Amino acid sequence: DVKVTQSSRYLVKRTGEKVFLECVQDMDHENMFWYRQDPGLGLRLIYFSYDVKMKEKGDIPEGYSVSREKKERFSLILESASTNQTSMYLCASSLDRTGGNTIYFGEGSWLTVV
Amino acid sequence: AQKVTQAQTEISVVEKEDVTLDCVYETRDTTYYLFWYKQPPSGELVFLIRRNSFDEQNEISGRYSWNFQKSTSSFNFTITASQVVDSAVYFCALSEEIGSARQLTFGSGTQLTVLP
Repeated sequence: DVKVTQSSRYLVKRTGEKVFLECVQDMDHENMFWYRQDPGLGLRLIYFSYDVKMKEKGDIPEGYSVSREKKERFSLILESASTNQTSMYLCASSLDRTGGNTIYFGEGSWLTVV
Repeated sequence: AQKVTQAQTEISVVEKEDVTLDCVYETRDTTYYLFWYKQPPSGELVFLIRRNSFDEQNEISGRYSWNFQKSTSSFNFTITASQVVDSAVYFCALSEEIGSARQLTFGSGTQLTVLP
């Protein structure tokens, strides 16, 4: 079974702090994704990566950056956390760039910025 | 641009009732893929089904069934004899074909509550 693991389930951070959300997948997938989920808005894509050191902006990249130094690990970084970044963050992975691949998700990280 | 609409924000049914979750999509692609995911209260999105645009056969898996109709751009999901454990948020999603690492566009989800 594909396993996508997010390091932190619940975090509380202060405004202005730098926040790292870590994600690891164990199936040698090329693609990895970070989504944000908010009530009534569904899942919105923040950033994705299709290879090591490669990244592309999704729909809402402002205020975020990412890092993919190793194939299995994809980090989401909030350089200076703000209260409007309080949300549930979901990491995901899929096999490669071929269309229609199933995306597998982690359990999510609930971030509260106070 | 792709778009997925789940018009039902919340649905509440009593156990053993059948329930249908609607999904309507928009795409210019001739080849595309449709998905349904379940998100229980624990938070993890669980993959339920993938269907490509050339396969319009309905699919049944236990109590779950899916009705794909290209003519109306719909991919509806029916749970028969619902159970309390079916309570979750259900997401419909659309994927382009080759070359898109971006992969999925999600609907806003339908919160299903099954009451005992």
